[in-house]
Amino acid sequence: NAGVMQNPRHLVRRRGQEARLRCSPMKGHSHVYWYRQLPEEGLKFMVYLQKENIIDESGMPKERFSAEFPKEGPSILRIQQVVRGDSAAYFCASSPLGQGITEAFFGQGTRLTVV
Amino acid sequence: SQQGEEDPQALSIQEGENATMNCSYKTSINNLQWYRQNSGRGLVHLILIRSNEREKHSGRLRVTLDTSKKSSSLLITASRAADTASYFCATDGLAAGNKLTFGGGTRVLVKP
Repeated sequence: NAGVMQNPRHLVRRRGQEARLRCSPMKGHSHVYWYRQLPEEGLKFMVYLQKENIIDESGMPKERFSAEFPKEGPSILRIQQVVRGDSAAYFCASSPLGQGITEAFFGQGTRLTVV
Repeated sequence: SQQGEEDPQALSIQEGENATMNCSYKTSINNLQWYRQNSGRGLVHLILIRSNEREKHSGRLRVTLDTSKKSSSLLITASRAADTASYFCATDGLAAGNKLTFGGGTRVLVKP
């Protein structure tokens, strides 16, 4: 049973380009969470999705950021017109129920660098 | 604002010593979890303690929870160089919705 898979592991984008980060949850998991981590800091919640639904996007910036978790395929975090401040590690986690019930399984992250 | 705040922010110890770090939180919780993160890697779940539990053990790890003080501690006994990592507490509760809220972490360096 493969763990949570994120790709790419590293992504370099020029300012103004789009970044697409993918997350394939563990088999049987229908809940996906995206977090952002700046250097030397903890993880900040961005968005919580179930299949085809956004449950909580209270941590998502209102502009340029969007997330989806389609019926088929991975969850996608999209950042349009990236800026230097978007440089961070983005982690995806999945769980079969809400995270509070069982431990969340985290991917290895995508490290986005905006140049 | 962050729910969990770890203390200290950084800790340096010799191999074989114990490492203790604390986490404080603000609102009522259902569970509190501790995670480890090695440099440049993802998070590894260590232990979950429920709000009605006071202490839990897992191998060389000991976690306590004091809901009256809204605090938890993680003790790593007989530390090893491989324990060098950042350690995060994460809480969930009604105020946070169905998600984990992380603290800023404690960076532990175990010197051989």
